[in-house]
Amino acid sequence: QKEVEQNSGPLSVPEGAIASLNCTYSDRVSQSFFWYRQYSGKSPELIMSIYSNGDKEDGRFTAQLNKASQYVSLLIRDSQPSDSATYLCAVNYAAGNKLTFGGGTRVLVKP
Amino acid sequence: GAVVSQHPSRVICKSGTSVKIECRSLDFQATTMFWYRQFPKQSLMLMATSNEGSKATYEQGVEKDKFLINHASLTLSTLTVTSAHPEDSSFYICSATKGTGVVAFFGQGTRLTVV
Repeated sequence: QKEVEQNSGPLSVPEGAIASLNCTYSDRVSQSFFWYRQYSGKSPELIMSIYSNGDKEDGRFTAQLNKASQYVSLLIRDSQPSDSATYLCAVNYAAGNKLTFGGGTRVLVKP
Repeated sequence: GAVVSQHPSRVICKSGTSVKIECRSLDFQATTMFWYRQFPKQSLMLMATSNEGSKATYEQGVEKDKFLINHASLTLSTLTVTSAHPEDSSFYICSATKGTGVVAFFGQGTRLTVV
């Protein structure tokens, strides 16, 4: 069974600090990786997508992918209280366009 | 853009009745739509994959006769919860992908409460 694992948290970070979130996945043939942010009571919104090894930066967010070690991470720089949310890692496996989601990491940014 | 609209956002129904939830892609054609259910403090659980013009593919453990999915056009999929019971109360979310892409764009979600 294909699995996506995340630490449930909460990950508590002071305002202005870097939040580091990790995600591991079980299937080596995974091709596409996504980070979604979900505020309480709302649906997920896409933050980042990453498809190849290395880093990808978008504003205060950096996604890192290491296929050999089967992990993908998300860094949030200069964390703001508005970043407090649950962050979901999602993986697309080779067959079809179905996503498998991790359990999510809850992030709390304290002023 | 890639906007997915889900309606209604919130519904309360009596036990034993049916509820229909609509998911529309507003500015793109969605060949595939997905339906998820999310219980409090849990992650998204995929219920079914819906392809335009064909029968939905349900995940293991999801009752296809209880959760009826229709994907009649490239911009509309509906989920009908039949004979709803309190245990069906949950947050139902749809997503859609563009063409053969894998990026999922989510609707706003529907909070279903069965009393």
